[in-house]
Order: sequence, then structure tokens, then C-alpha cells
Amino acid sequence: DADVTQTPRNRITKTGKRIMLECSQTKGHDRMYWYRQDPGLGLRLIYYSFDVKDINKGEISDGYSVSRQAQAKFSLSLESAIPNQTALYFCATSDSAGQAFFGQGTRLTVV
Amino acid sequence: AQSVTQLDSQVPVFEEAPVELRCNYSSSVSVYLFWYVQYPNQGLQLLLKYLSGSTLVKGINGFEAEFNKSQTSFHLRKPSVHISDTAEYFCAVRLTGGSYIPTFGRGTSLIVHP
Repeated sequence: DADVTQTPRNRITKTGKRIMLECSQTKGHDRMYWYRQDPGLGLRLIYYSFDVKDINKGEISDGYSVSRQAQAKFSLSLESAIPNQTALYFCATSDSAGQAFFGQGTRLTVV
Repeated sequence: AQSVTQLDSQVPVFEEAPVELRCNYSSSVSVYLFWYVQYPNQGLQLLLKYLSGSTLVKGINGFEAEFNKSQTSFHLRKPSVHISDTAEYFCAVRLTGGSYIPTFGRGTSLIVHP
């Protein structure tokens, strides 16, 4: 089983719909992250969490929210999806040295 | 603040040729450095990392990188590439103290031609 698991792997949704992307990890790491990947822009940080009670905005948090339900679970929500949120989304954890461990990604298309 | 610059967005190369993917960072304090690889339709996985010690770091699949503190660089090299090395490569940096947030470059697409 993967150390970091994302569900769903692919999703097509309509503009204005609320959608949740889920992430769970078995690494035992406190630090978890959500990134989005767009061609030519690399990975941009949406939100991060250093423990269950700690949630922080990243560089592109507008239009997104997160919930850290447990050390192992960190979900990302799009409150009202819009087409420019079409992207590849990655959940990741990191160890104390900053090495990141990524999920397989969720390809989200907003039509 | 730290930042990472990958100087080439795309690097085409022929099979069995050597390759270098460039990465520079800006930070006034000590850093940890990483290279990750992303194969099509997959997540990122670690190629190699520099935390301390020898500045020449060897990773998986025959890749290596050299940390150059004076030039704030961490270039990735491979002496002979294979078709299977075609992928996106990301450089990342993390400060040794304070925030643990890894910062990523924009990525370099390595395209290996037969």
C-alpha cells in the first residue's frame, strides 16, 4: 500500500459545485501539505499543517479550505469550483529533514 | 525567504549522452537540498538529497548532484541517460532551522530521444 493515498484519482465536476479531495498517510508524519501542479508553474503550495491543531495558508489558498481530521488525514475542499482550478493536486507529508513524500495525485477538471 | 530557480524548463538530449539539470537557490542560511523525479501520471519521488557531509551526493538510477555553497547551486547530473529517464525533475530546498516547508522549483522536463 502507498504511504500517502489520495482519493479520488480523477474527478470531473461542474462549475459552482463543492468538492472534497481526501488524503491519508501511514508515514506517521505530523506535517502535511496540499499542492497544485500546473504546466510551467511547478508545484504551488495551497495549505499546510504542522499538526492536527495547526493549519496555515500557502501561497494560493483563495477558493480552497482544508480540514485536518487526524494526524493521518488531511482533506482539501473547493467550496465553489471554477474552471481555473482545473489542475493536478498533490498531497504530501514531510519528515524532520524536509524530505517530502507524495501521493499519486488527483486530476481535477472543472467544466 | 528562500527560493529555488531551475534555469531550464526543458532539456532535450539523445540517449546515452550526459545531462546536467541546473538548480540554484537563494537563502542566507544553511539549507537542505533535494531532487525529485515525476514520471508521467505519477507523484514525485525522491532522487537524492543533501543534508550534510560530502558535497557530492549519489542517488537512484545513476543520478548524482553536487552542492556548491559559494555558487548556491545543486545541479543534477547523469553521465549517460536512457529513454526511461524522460520525466519532470524538481529541485527543492528547505531551511535547516525554523519552517520545515520545502520550496520547489518550477521543474525541468528532461526529454531523451533515441
